[in-house]
Amino acid sequence: DTGVSQDPRHKITKRGQNVTFRCDPISEHNRLYWYRQTLGQGPEFLTYFQNEAQLEKSRLLSDRFSAERPKGSFSTLEIQRTEQGDSAMYLCASSSDLNTEAFFGQGTRLTVV
Amino acid sequence: LAKTTQPISMDSYEGQEVNITCSHNNIATNDYITWYQQFPSQGPRFIIQGYKTKVTNEVASLFIPADRKSSTLSLPRVSLSDTAVYYCLVGDPINAGNNRKLIWGLGTSLAVNP
Repeated sequence: DTGVSQDPRHKITKRGQNVTFRCDPISEHNRLYWYRQTLGQGPEFLTYFQNEAQLEKSRLLSDRFSAERPKGSFSTLEIQRTEQGDSAMYLCASSSDLNTEAFFGQGTRLTVV
Repeated sequence: LAKTTQPISMDSYEGQEVNITCSHNNIATNDYITWYQQFPSQGPRFIIQGYKTKVTNEVASLFIPADRKSSTLSLPRVSLSDTAVYYCLVGDPINAGNNRKLIWGLGTSLAVNP
């Protein structure tokens, strides 16, 4: 499978716990994006990487959120001290410099109880 | 950043042509129009992108009038599997990291009935 893959697909956690999600983009794509989507809404941009550099973070990304892409390949999104309001689908997408089409993974659905 | 307006929902029947119109009155000169499709519990999937006039691919057609203040996604002969949410996005694809600038609205929830 050469698409964008995300792990895990589902995560249930207790409030206050930390969680980490992983995204493996399409191998030749140097651009990687994280989005959050709640039920009935469109995706909201969280952060963007060009290779290993995190070039932009949305104001939605509070201090409890951190993302990395250490070698310019896979990326991780960590949420510390989770809150119920963090419950959402977290989507990862990648694209190349030559193609504006973004390819999305199937997402990680987080439920904070 | 250009904001888009689409109908919240549409209904159709199998075999019909479906046209979803999107308004983007504040579209900028460098902006392109992009449409994505999303099924429940899946990530969005690119459908089509265009700048002006008409673009067609194996899935859909995109009609953009001369003033570019609106666009219409046309799905020929829809089937039950086309039931999904369709998002219209406007943004500049030339600048690095263009996708981060795209604003996703609520989309249009299309229901195709037998």
